[in-house]
This record gives sequence, C-alpha cells and structure tokens, in this order.
Amino acid sequence: QVQLVESGGGVVQPGRSLRLSCAASGFTSSSYGLHWVRQAPGKGLEWVAVISNDGSNKYYADSVKGRFTISRDNSKNTLYLQMNSLRAEDTAVYYCAKDGEGHEFDYWGRGTLVTVSS
Amino acid sequence: SYVLTQPPSVSVAPGKTARITCGGNNIGYNSVHWYQQKPGQAPVLVIHYDSDRPSGIPERFSGSNSGNTATLTISRVEAGDEADFYCQVWDSSSDHYVFGTGTKVTVL
Repeated sequence: QVQLVESGGGVVQPGRSLRLSCAASGFTSSSYGLHWVRQAPGKGLEWVAVISNDGSNKYYADSVKGRFTISRDNSKNTLYLQMNSLRAEDTAVYYCAKDGEGHEFDYWGRGTLVTVSS
Repeated sequence: SYVLTQPPSVSVAPGKTARITCGGNNIGYNSVHWYQQKPGQAPVLVIHYDSDRPSGIPERFSGSNSGNTATLTISRVEAGDEADFYCQVWDSSSDHYVFGTGTKVTVL
C-alpha cells in the first residue's frame, strides 16, 4: 500500500535552516507529483509546494517562495524540503502528500513537526 | 489569490444530515476535493472530482458543486464522523493549490 513517511523535523532557531525528507513506497513515485502541506498548531491546512514527477516543474506558496526549495531523488524514492531563513510563523506539522490525477492529495504521510523558536 | 470560505462549525445530531459549504468565485468551474481530519491524524480524502468517493469511503459521504458553492453532505451522521473538514481546489491561473478555511463538525 502507499506509504509516505516524513522525517527531519525538530526545534530550530529563527533564521536557521532545516531539511525535511519524505520516503515514498508502495507506488511508482517517479510517476507522480509530490507536495508539502503544513498545518500550524490549531490552524487549517496550507499548501506549501509541489514538484512534478520528474522534478522539472516546481511551484511554491507565496509565503515560502524564495526561502524554501522542494526537490526529489527518484532513485531513492525520496522527497525533500529545504527550509532556509526560518521564521516563527513556519512552526507547523509538515505533511508530504501524493498528487492525484485531478490535482487532489490522495495520500498523506503522518507529518513531522517543525518548531521555530529561540 | 483564490479564496475558499467555509463555515467555522457545523453541529448535527446522530442519524441526521450534515451539510458543509465551500464558497468560492465560480467554484462550479473547478474540481473540488474534500478532506476529513480527525484530531492528531493526517487528513484523508473523502470526496474528489466534486462528488466521487475514493475506495473505502462510506456512501454516506457525498458532494456537489455548482455556481459559487460546493457542498459536502454527510448522511446518517455517526459519532465517528466528528472531525475537521476542508475543501480544496487547484487554481490553474497560478498553479497553486488552495484549501478552504475548514469546518469543525460536532456530533451532538
């Protein structure tokens, strides 16, 4: 079955960097786009970024553009999110999600918590 | 940017019908997807393409979309349906993905 497992979260100081990973299994990940979606404590869902199946196209939410970089290594079935210049408002659970045929998120990981605090 | 508006909360008695709306400008021209998120869990896709149920989702969940409003309907509500629900569309003009503001469904 489809599995997405995030890792790399933790506590980081404002202005510092962190890299998240998402290991995909149970499907041919190189055939699908993959996303990062986040949820601040007690808040709603916010789409962060998407990368196409071959990595050639990437799109970002305005709130992270220029600070975050999404990438993937299809040989390792792994998605990444490089987060630079972190701010307190980036504190959230970060989910990895698979892109469906209709631009929906058809499978989700369990998420990894990122806390930006001094 | 495209905005999707949902009521913050909906309360419903067991066995009754809950309707959750998702308002957006001409949303009827978009495919709308719905997610259920229980406390401490990841979201789960319950409706895609406006009204289709993914495998494993009960028939009690249904959806519609027309004009400026999409609606998720939960029939014969059960205590286990209590959760936050989010609508979502893809904004083709920006290649961005947009979530609604979220609705907390409380079973009385």
